[in-house]
Amino acid sequence: QQQVKQSPQSLIVQKGGISIINCAYENTAFDYFPWYQQFPGKGPALLIAIRPDVSEKKEGRFTISFNKSAKQFSLHIMDSQPGDSATYFCAASDTGGGNKLTFGTGTQLKVEL
Amino acid sequence: DTGVSQNPRHKITKRGQNVTFRCDPISEHNRLYWYRQTLGQGPEFLTYFQNEAQLEKSRLLSDRFSAERPKGSFSTLEIQRTEQGDSAMYLCASSLRIGYGYTFGSGTRLTVV
Repeated sequence: QQQVKQSPQSLIVQKGGISIINCAYENTAFDYFPWYQQFPGKGPALLIAIRPDVSEKKEGRFTISFNKSAKQFSLHIMDSQPGDSATYFCAASDTGGGNKLTFGTGTQLKVEL
Repeated sequence: DTGVSQNPRHKITKRGQNVTFRCDPISEHNRLYWYRQTLGQGPEFLTYFQNEAQLEKSRLLSDRFSAERPKGSFSTLEIQRTEQGDSAMYLCASSLRIGYGYTFGSGTRLTVV
């Protein structure tokens, strides 16, 4: 059972545009929602994270929007740059259950000049 | 502190051989996680430790897999009698406490031929 569904699988955005990646989860016990960025040959790197007591969190060009009732959350990358080209994973965890992460299947983002 | 270190970075082994991977977490992090990532997929949870205690193992971790974390410092993941289906990236991560993001290492890429 896939507990975190991520879309789209791939995304091409022009430089300066907005990249939007969406995730939906099923387990209502999830209470921590991070996004990771992964470059080829590297491990995932934590980008930004949100807890369900807030609906939005912004850090620089990266914003998470969170809709608890719909069990959905999304990552917005403003002013996308070629250096943002990477694979992005959403994840979720139940911190009462050991904080192990359940990852989405990833979105391969390409930012074109 | 140079982050989470994993060795070796790459391992090619023949089917049926045993392999062992090492992970050195960030020194003050008491929680250590192992994940497995196959091409085009998000990381999947294998097991985690709090200090030296192994608190949970995924059903993905068959009896051919064993992990240890002696003295709550570095950890090893051993795979016995490797199979071609074990080919994947094995990722280690550590965190300071529950509810906070992980720091992943760059992983060990295993190829079973």
